[in-house]
Amino acid sequence: QVQLVQSGAEVKKPGASVKVSCKASGYSFTNYYVHWVRQAPGQGLECMGVINPGGDTNYAQNFQGRVTMTRDTSTTTVYMELGSLKSEDTAVYYCAREGVGAYNFDSWGQGTLVVVSS
Amino acid sequence: QSALTQPRSVSGSPGQSVTISCTGTSSDVGSYNYVSWYQQHPGKAPKLIIYDVSKRPSGVPDRFSGSKSGNTASLTISGLQAEDEADYSCCSYAGSPYVFGTGTKVTVL
Repeated sequence: QVQLVQSGAEVKKPGASVKVSCKASGYSFTNYYVHWVRQAPGQGLECMGVINPGGDTNYAQNFQGRVTMTRDTSTTTVYMELGSLKSEDTAVYYCAREGVGAYNFDSWGQGTLVVVSS
Repeated sequence: QSALTQPRSVSGSPGQSVTISCTGTSSDVGSYNYVSWYQQHPGKAPKLIIYDVSKRPSGVPDRFSGSKSGNTASLTISGLQAEDEADYSCCSYAGSPYVFGTGTKVTVL
């Protein structure tokens, strides 16, 4: 079955970086987009960006210059690195799969809590 | 891109129907029939329940239905059940990236 398994919770200091992983299994890795979506405490979902089947990326304007998404096809793992962390970046970060031409997120990782605190 | 606007909360008794609105603009909801809805229980990841405005993935009960008129999409839950108590978020394609709604908490009285 389709699974997206994310890395564990992180605690970081302001100004630091965090790298979250998302290991995919149960489907053809190179046929799907992977998006990163975050949810701050008590807030709604927010798209951060996407990495497409060819490995190209598209980042939301709010995160331009601070976020980098990469993938390793040999381990079917996608990574999201967010730098210059601020307290407002405290959130649960999700990876989510989108089929080519699907325009929806049909499978999600379990989420990774990132806490930014001095 | 600004978040799509949803009511903060709606409630209903078991068996009743509730409708959640999702208001966007002519650049997102109004331009594309790619509105999806997600159900999220506390501490859990979102789950896709409606896609392409009104289609249901396999396994989603038919008491969940979606529609769209102009810049506003809607999710209706008919025959409300206790397990439907959760947060619901809409999402629209708007080029890349996508834009989500502000989220609605559904309470079953």
